Amino acid sequence: DTGVSQDPRHKITKRGQNVTFRCDPISEHNRLYWYRQTLGQGPEFLTYFQNEAQLEKSRLLSDRFSAERPKGSFSTLEIQRTEQGDSAMYLCASSFGQGSGYTFGSGTRLTVV
Amino acid sequence: AQSVSQHNHHVILSEAASLELGCNYSYGGTVNLFWYVQYPGQHLQLLLKYFSGDPLVKGIKGFEAEFIKSKFSFNLRKPSVQWSDTAEYFCAVGDASGTYKYIFGTGTRLKVLA
Repeated sequence: DTGVSQDPRHKITKRGQNVTFRCDPISEHNRLYWYRQTLGQGPEFLTYFQNEAQLEKSRLLSDRFSAERPKGSFSTLEIQRTEQGDSAMYLCASSFGQGSGYTFGSGTRLTVV
Repeated sequence: AQSVSQHNHHVILSEAASLELGCNYSYGGTVNLFWYVQYPGQHLQLLLKYFSGDPLVKGIKGFEAEFIKSKFSFNLRKPSVQWSDTAEYFCAVGDASGTYKYIFGTGTRLKVLA
């Protein structure tokens, strides 16, 4: 399968713990996006990479969130000191160039207890 | 403010009925328009997209959408739905210049009765 891969699929963590998610985009895609989706809502933009450069961050991304994309390949999203409000599905998507449309991964479902 | 509105949150249809899902957007710039579908237990998949040209766009599985610029709308249609179309449908507006990030609507859950 040459689609977008996300790991893990599910994560349950205790409040206050740190978590890290990984996204492997389609190899030839230079753009990578992170979105968050909560129940009953559409995906909300978190951040965007073009190659290894993080070019935009949403106000939703508090200081506890950090994302990286070393060498313009896979990306990680880390949440420090998790809160119950962080419980959501975290989606990764990738694309190549302008207007090709995203390819989404299956997401990582985070539950903070 | 930039936003996407999907007016129908839940739609229930019988097989062979016609479908139209509404999508209106508010965005101050050049946009690309998308419909994504999420089947139960699966990831979001691109159904169709509009960038420019013919405002009537045809997608996969018999779906089509019409861009009406004057109404800021991009409604999704299918003449005859099937049970397998049961899914959640998301309209999205993409920034056509710059980040190409998307703003999604809240989604419409479609249930097709066999």
